[in-house]
Amino acid sequence: DIQMTQSPSSLSASVGDRVTITCRASQGISNYLAWYQQKPGKVPKLLIYAASTLQSGVPSRFSGSGSGTDFTLTISSLQPEDVATYYCQKYNSAPFTFGPGTKVDIK
Amino acid sequence: EVQLVQSGAEVKKPGATVKISCKVSGYTFTDYYMHWVQQAPGKGLEWMGLVDPEDGETIYAEKFQGRVTITADTSTDTAYMELSSLRSEDTAVYYCAKVPHRWGQGTLVTVSS
Repeated sequence: DIQMTQSPSSLSASVGDRVTITCRASQGISNYLAWYQQKPGKVPKLLIYAASTLQSGVPSRFSGSGSGTDFTLTISSLQPEDVATYYCQKYNSAPFTFGPGTKVDIK
Repeated sequence: EVQLVQSGAEVKKPGATVKISCKVSGYTFTDYYMHWVQQAPGKGLEWMGLVDPEDGETIYAEKFQGRVTITADTSTDTAYMELSSLRSEDTAVYYCAKVPHRWGQGTLVTVSS
């Protein structure tokens, strides 16, 4: 099975900072990668799908890139409402594994 | 509007079985796989399996194989996830999802004696 890893596991940044989260697949998954944001007690919210397509309604400060095995989620200017845990998920084939998550908070 | 509406919270004793429903609307049920995801308290998201409502075929994650059964009823556009031999570690929120775009609101299952 393909394993998904994320780095860092957590980060603390200042408002306005550029934040980058990395997701790596142990084998190539083309661009079948989604990024989710989850706040405590809430349903995961889709931010990015097909590795780089911004979901409708998601602020443009969020962007995704990558293909194959290496992917990044970038928040261009961190806002207080971005405090959350971020997960990547592969969806090319089963098992549809999630990354372990990256917890983002404000310094 | 696409909606996935799950059944309510459950409290079960160890060894019991729980069955959660997920009723969809706003799209053709048979056109997309329905996935189920587990999230234990304070933990990450874990993919459990999926059903193809078109033909009922299923794929399960190895961790849940043998204990989980996912089904789809095309007469009511409802998917079901049944988890048996419950133990305390199964206490979690369970989500149905039309991956990646739409998720249900989640169902809390508490396993306690």
